[in-house]
Amino acid sequence: GAVVSQHPSRVICKSGTSVKIECRSLDFQATTMFWYRQFPKQSLMLMATSNEGSKATYEQGVEKDKFLINHASLTLSTLTVTSAHPEDSSFYICSAWTGKAFFGQGTRLTVV
Amino acid sequence: GENVEQHPSTLSVQEGDSAVIKCTYSDSASNYFPWYKQELGKGPQLIIDIRSNVGEKKDQRIAVTLNKTAKHFSLHITETQPEDSAVYFCAARMGTNAGKSTFGDGTTLTVKP
Repeated sequence: GAVVSQHPSRVICKSGTSVKIECRSLDFQATTMFWYRQFPKQSLMLMATSNEGSKATYEQGVEKDKFLINHASLTLSTLTVTSAHPEDSSFYICSAWTGKAFFGQGTRLTVV
Repeated sequence: GENVEQHPSTLSVQEGDSAVIKCTYSDSASNYFPWYKQELGKGPQLIIDIRSNVGEKKDQRIAVTLNKTAKHFSLHITETQPEDSAVYFCAARMGTNAGKSTFGDGTTLTVKP
């Protein structure tokens, strides 16, 4: 299957700082990528749809100014959590669409 | 919008037995139904999928069946092994929506050796 690489896998940051998470499709081009947030023992919650060359589409309730998404190329989308707070601590997962959705390995963000 | 219900939430089987996880969806326009396996601390992995023009699909020990009339689909794992232990998610997607899927709540499968 297609490979999606997400980096970093774990990150700890101080409250008030910003953190960038990268999602790369390694062996295919993805016009559309998705960003999810997952709480412990829960399902995936779609945060936003990222389209190459255009603004991301955010789901209801997701703050676009807090979760900045950039999809500058067909193989890279980034999620930046700005002014992070402890309540932003979570598992963030990206997926890339190529007729099917392939997921990255996820990023465990801890804000202290 | 689409609503996907998944049952059971937890499932424990003995090694070698079969496991069945069921999902129902609400929107008859959905036409793509993938299943994902998620191990602890990792992202979901696509294990099998089915499109609405097919009733059943099999890949070695894993099979998926789809009943469009009843709007439900199921994952079947035969000859389970301890390494099958994970959380399994079903999803439903409409063809006109580039990849945006609605996920079930997940099933935690435990295979006892």
